[in-house]
Amino acid sequence: EAGVAQSPRYKIIEKRQSVAFWCNPISGHATLYWYQQILGQGPKLLIQFQNNGVVDDSQLPKDRFSAERLKGVDSTLKIQPAKLEDSAVYLCASSLVPQGGEQYFGPGTRLTVT
Amino acid sequence: KQEVTQIPAALSVPEGENLVLNCSFTDSAIYNLQWFRQDPGKGLTSLLLIQSSQREQTSGRLNASLDKSSGRSTLYIAASQPGDSATYLCAVPPSGGYNKLIFGAGTRLAVHP
Repeated sequence: EAGVAQSPRYKIIEKRQSVAFWCNPISGHATLYWYQQILGQGPKLLIQFQNNGVVDDSQLPKDRFSAERLKGVDSTLKIQPAKLEDSAVYLCASSLVPQGGEQYFGPGTRLTVT
Repeated sequence: KQEVTQIPAALSVPEGENLVLNCSFTDSAIYNLQWFRQDPGKGLTSLLLIQSSQREQTSGRLNASLDKSSGRSTLYIAASQPGDSATYLCAVPPSGGYNKLIFGAGTRLAVHP
């Protein structure tokens, strides 16, 4: 069974530039999560999708971050414009069931904003 | 508001030792608890998932216990090996919810030969 795929693996941009990350969840997993992990901390949820609908985006900085999952499968997370404090690893995860299901994580995208 | 604390923050042990990693959470009304492993520069690998009705789960040399009443979980690693070196994270759903995960900051483990 293929795992959660993410790309790119690494990205370096200057502040005020824009960037986009892509995630393909495990086949059949209806729930998709985007987490942000700052160095030395545990991951923090940014947004959760159930199929193509948003379940929780309470911690997403909506003035600069956006995410979509148009067909209920792949998802993209965008940052525009980026700030220095956005430097982090962005992790995508998926689960088979939306409530209490085991979450499976992708390899992450390491973003450095200079 | 659910908060998760992991102690110690870092641990260095010689190969072969049995060790215990600790996780505590403030709201005991959890649906489940999940332990993860994270290698440097990599994503998270799920190790064990304990449902609220369970007291422990085992996978190979790993054993995780859950005591909801005291808000604690422990991850026991038997006969540690250099390949066990990684950061170990525990996570629980938020208070009254069971969707997203609230993570601790992790325990960074180094097992030296």
